Amino acid sequence: DAGVIQSPRHEVTEMGQEVTLRCKPISGHDYLFWYRQTMMRGLELLIYFNNNVPIDDSGMPEDRFSAKMPNASFSTLKIQPSEPRDSAVYFCASSLYRDNYGYTFGSGTRLTVV
Amino acid sequence: SQKIEQNSEALNIQEGKTATLTCNYTNYSPAYLQWYRQDPGRGPVFLLLIRENEKEKRKERLKVTFDTTLKQSLFHITASQPADSATYLCALDISGYALNFGKGTSLLVTP
Repeated sequence: DAGVIQSPRHEVTEMGQEVTLRCKPISGHDYLFWYRQTMMRGLELLIYFNNNVPIDDSGMPEDRFSAKMPNASFSTLKIQPSEPRDSAVYFCASSLYRDNYGYTFGSGTRLTVV
Repeated sequence: SQKIEQNSEALNIQEGKTATLTCNYTNYSPAYLQWYRQDPGRGPVFLLLIRENEKEKRKERLKVTFDTTLKQSLFHITASQPADSATYLCALDISGYALNFGKGTSLLVTP
């Protein structure tokens, strides 16, 4: 398996623009997580899904953020409109609950909003 | 509020020595605790999971202890090598199956 695949690796956008981050989890994993990492706040959980259903989105900072998982092999995190304070590294991770081997993270998307 | 505290100061040690990293937590009753390694520009990589009823777990040169009374986990790397240099994150389960992460401790192993 190629692991968790995120795209793009880097995104630079202007304030006010819409940004869409993409994630392909490991095949067969039943949990998918979106995290955001900054120096100040570390890794913050934004939202997670179980079998494509959102379970907890309490970490989504504002209504500007939305996430979907239309099928088991794809998820998106959208920010509309983007703001400079959204600049961070966004990670997607997936896991198989039964195995409890921890999460497998993607390489992340570094988002810069100017 | 819930807190996970890891030493924010970098830990510098000499090759061959044992590195010990600390993770303290408050206002959690975790069923398990996990440790991850993160290299610059990469996502965290899972290392070990220890459950609340386990006192110690080992994997090759790694050893993790978990004291639910002290609310503390210790992460040891024995016979450390320069390749062990990275940031190490501890994580606790919260409601459901999600993890909260500490900010990590940077380890530098010098030859």
